[in-house]
Amino acid sequence: GEDVEQSLFLSVREGDSSVINCTYTDSSSTYLYWYKQEPGAGLQLLTYIFSNMDMKQDQRLTVLLNKKDKHLSLRIADTQTGDSAIYFCAEILLYSGAGSYQLTFGKGTKLSVIP
Amino acid sequence: AAGVIQSPRHLIKEKRETATLKCYPIPRHDTVYWYQQGPGQDPQFLISFYEKMQSDKGSIPDRFSAQQFSDYHSELNMSSLELGDSALYFCASSLAGGLSSYNEQFFGPGTRLTVL
Repeated sequence: GEDVEQSLFLSVREGDSSVINCTYTDSSSTYLYWYKQEPGAGLQLLTYIFSNMDMKQDQRLTVLLNKKDKHLSLRIADTQTGDSAIYFCAEILLYSGAGSYQLTFGKGTKLSVIP
Repeated sequence: AAGVIQSPRHLIKEKRETATLKCYPIPRHDTVYWYQQGPGQDPQFLISFYEKMQSDKGSIPDRFSAQQFSDYHSELNMSSLELGDSALYFCASSLAGGLSSYNEQFFGPGTRLTVL
C-alpha cells in the first residue's frame, strides 16, 4: 500500500457528495478498482475503471481517471449513513501472465457520514 | 449466489503455534489469492494459485506456505506464529482471463487470527 496513496479520513454530511482521491503508481495498470470495507467485514468491489476510460458512472458512483497524473477519484452522490466505511483504491501490479494478478491497495480512506 | 467461504472465521493461537486457514472459492473459479490485513492497514498480497499451481508470490513470510487442491480449495499454513501475525486474512477467488478481460476478485469474509 505504500505506493498507492489516499487521504486517510473524510467526513461529510448526509445528502452531500463525497469525493475520495487516490494516486496510483503504475502507468501500465489496466484496471483500477474501488473497494468498500465495512467494520469487521470483507472487501466489496464497488466499481472499477478500465485504463482507456476517463470516467465511469454507476448509479450514485462516479469514477474519474486522470492517467497523465495517475489520479483516480470516487465520487459518491447523495451520501448516506450506510456509506460509512473504509474505501480502498487498488491497482493491478505484476501481472504474471499465469492467469492471476495481484492487487496493490492504498491505505484506505475512512468515510464518516454525519446524519 | 455462492460466495467465497473461509474457515475458521476467528482463530486464537499462542506464539510459536501453527495455524491452518482454509478457503473455498466460488464454484468454477480457478484462481485463489491470499491477502493479509493488519490492524488499520491495507490488505497486502501474500500468494496466489492458478489451476493448483503457485502463480504469484508477494510478501509471504517463509514460515507460511499455501497450496491449492484438486477441488480448487486452498489452505494457508502458518508456523512459528508471532505476535505480528495477528491480522485479518482474506482469500479471494476469480476466473482467470488475462489482462485483456476484466476478472474481478471476489473476497471472502476473512479469518481473524489473534496470536497471544
